Amino acid sequence: EVQLVESGGGLVQPGGSLRLSCTASGFTFTDYAMSWVRQAPGKGLEWVSTISVRSDSTYYADSVKGRLTISRDNSKNTLFLQMNTLRAEDTAVYYCATGPSVIDYWGQGTLVTVSS
Amino acid sequence: DVQVTQSPSSLPASVGDRVTISCRASQGINNYLAWYQQKPGKAPKLLIYAASTLQSGVPSRFSGSGSGTDFTLTISSLQPEDVATYYCQNYNSAPRVTFGGGTKVEIK
Repeated sequence: EVQLVESGGGLVQPGGSLRLSCTASGFTFTDYAMSWVRQAPGKGLEWVSTISVRSDSTYYADSVKGRLTISRDNSKNTLFLQMNTLRAEDTAVYYCATGPSVIDYWGQGTLVTVSS
Repeated sequence: DVQVTQSPSSLPASVGDRVTISCRASQGINNYLAWYQQKPGKAPKLLIYAASTLQSGVPSRFSGSGSGTDFTLTISSLQPEDVATYYCQNYNSAPRVTFGGGTKVEIK
């Protein structure tokens, strides 16, 4: 069974930092580019970032460029999102997801709340 | 960037009704369009990709059509378990994908 399990979300003050993790199982992690997609409370889906299989290419939405950094550890089947200089508008559920295009598998999501 | 616009935003319908959701792209995207279903408190689930290809395990009452700029998701006979928000996704410029605003389907 494919599983993507996110962790690391929580409450953080504006300007603060947080590191999200996503542990994958049930499929060959190194067969997939991986992405983060977020959803603000009561809102729609927004693509955030994608990383290639060997980490040689990374892509970011304009809204997060320079503040969020995606990375992966293929030896541990784990995807990361380092989040710096957080803003109120970054408040959302962050989903770990497979693929750079059609998303076959999604994690259950982890909530990040940016508030003082 | 290509924008995708869904309509309607809300769709009340009766059990057994045929339900149609529209997704329009701001420019042609060939057939690089997917549809997802999201139930409250859950992650989205892939229903259809390449505009009309049904994902494995998805009931056959779901179908997709269209190409270029205009696409449609159809539920042939609405069931109570289909209550959810549906999103279209343009992946013509992957990995920079874009999602429609969502259509909330409910039972009236």
